[in-house]
Amino acid sequence: EVQLVESGGGVVRPGGSLRLSCAASGFTFDDFGMSWVRQAPGKGLEWICGINWNGGSTRYADSVKGRFTISRDKAKNSLYLQMNSLRAEDTALYHCARDRSGSDGRYFDYWGQGTLVTVSS
Amino acid sequence: DIQMTQSPSSLSASVGDRVTITCQASQDISNSLNWYQQIPGKAPKLLIYDASNLETGVPSRFSGSGSGTDFSFTISSLQPEDIATYFCQQYHNLPVFGGGTKVEIK
Repeated sequence: EVQLVESGGGVVRPGGSLRLSCAASGFTFDDFGMSWVRQAPGKGLEWICGINWNGGSTRYADSVKGRFTISRDKAKNSLYLQMNSLRAEDTALYHCARDRSGSDGRYFDYWGQGTLVTVSS
Repeated sequence: DIQMTQSPSSLSASVGDRVTITCQASQDISNSLNWYQQIPGKAPKLLIYDASNLETGVPSRFSGSGSGTDFSFTISSLQPEDIATYFCQQYHNLPVFGGGTKVEIK
């Protein structure tokens, strides 16, 4: 069974940093691209970044470019999101999502339940 | 950046009704469009990919059509378990989701 479990969320002050993790199981991690998609409370979905199957390609939404970094660890079957210079508008539930095409953002066929990030002073 | 305009933002229909949601892209995206269902409190689920292809295991009452800039998503006979918010998503460029359509039972 495919499972994606996010962790690392919490409350952080504006300007602070946080690192999210996504533990993947039930599939060959190396075969799939991965992305982070966030959802502000009561709002819609926003794709923020993606990484292809081998980590050779990454893409970012303008809203996080230069502040967030996506990475993956083949040995640990894990996806990461390093978030720096956090702002109030980054407050959201952060989902990791599998891309079955292997790319850095096309078809999101499995999603985790998300980890909540709150940026507040 | 490509913008996705989804409408309506919400709708109320009776069980058995035909429901249609539309999504318009700000530029030609060919068939690079997917549809997702998000049941309250759950993660999104991929229903339709490449504008009109039904994801494996998804009931046939769900369908999608369109290409270029105009797309539609249809539930042919609304069921109680279809209560959810539906999102379109383009991947022609950086992935962008539509604003969502909340579907409720009348």
